[in-house]
Amino acid sequence: NAGVTQTPKFRILKIGQSMTLQCAQDMNHNYMYWYRQDPGMGLKLIYYSVGAGITDKGEVPNGYNVSRSTTEDFPLRLELAAPSQTSVYFCAAGTGPEQYFGPGTRLTVT
Amino acid sequence: DQQVKQNSPSLSVQEGRISILNCDYTNSMFDYFLWYKKYPAEGPTFLISISSIKDKNEDGRFTVFLNKSAKHLSLHIVPSQPGDSAVYFCAASVGTYKYIFGTGTRLKVLA
Repeated sequence: NAGVTQTPKFRILKIGQSMTLQCAQDMNHNYMYWYRQDPGMGLKLIYYSVGAGITDKGEVPNGYNVSRSTTEDFPLRLELAAPSQTSVYFCAAGTGPEQYFGPGTRLTVT
Repeated sequence: DQQVKQNSPSLSVQEGRISILNCDYTNSMFDYFLWYKKYPAEGPTFLISISSIKDKNEDGRFTVFLNKSAKHLSLHIVPSQPGDSAVYFCAASVGTYKYIFGTGTRLKVLA
């Protein structure tokens, strides 16, 4: 099992560009999450999903969108990239309180 | 408003000794707590959890203590090993699985 996979690993965006961060899991977990981690800070929840077709906002949803059409995939969309979105993004999946994280995507917006 | 606080950004401990990582929270409604370990350039890895109905949970070298009256939890690692050197995050949740994370404590275990 690959667990939780994220692509790309690194990306540089120009201000105003859009992109989608991909997240996939092969553990058949219902719950999936997107977090961002800024330097020296903890993880902040952006969006989460309790199952296919159901998503909800976390602590810092502004500037992002998500969709969950299948159990396996939970992409995160940035529509108009801003420097404040420079961060490391982690996707996670779980069926209970314990979450299993992907390796992260390091995004720089310049 | 930081609901989950890890006030020590870093901690150094000799190999074989006990490491104690602390976490304070402000929301008395939190009912589930987790600890994660994170190595550089990797995602966090789940370590141990505790629900609010318990005050202690053990898993091998790792023990988590919860003091609800003080709104405080701690992670004890005994004995500490060089491979334990990482950043440790505590996280808390109210009922749902939406966790609030602390800012992390960097543990360095000295050989």
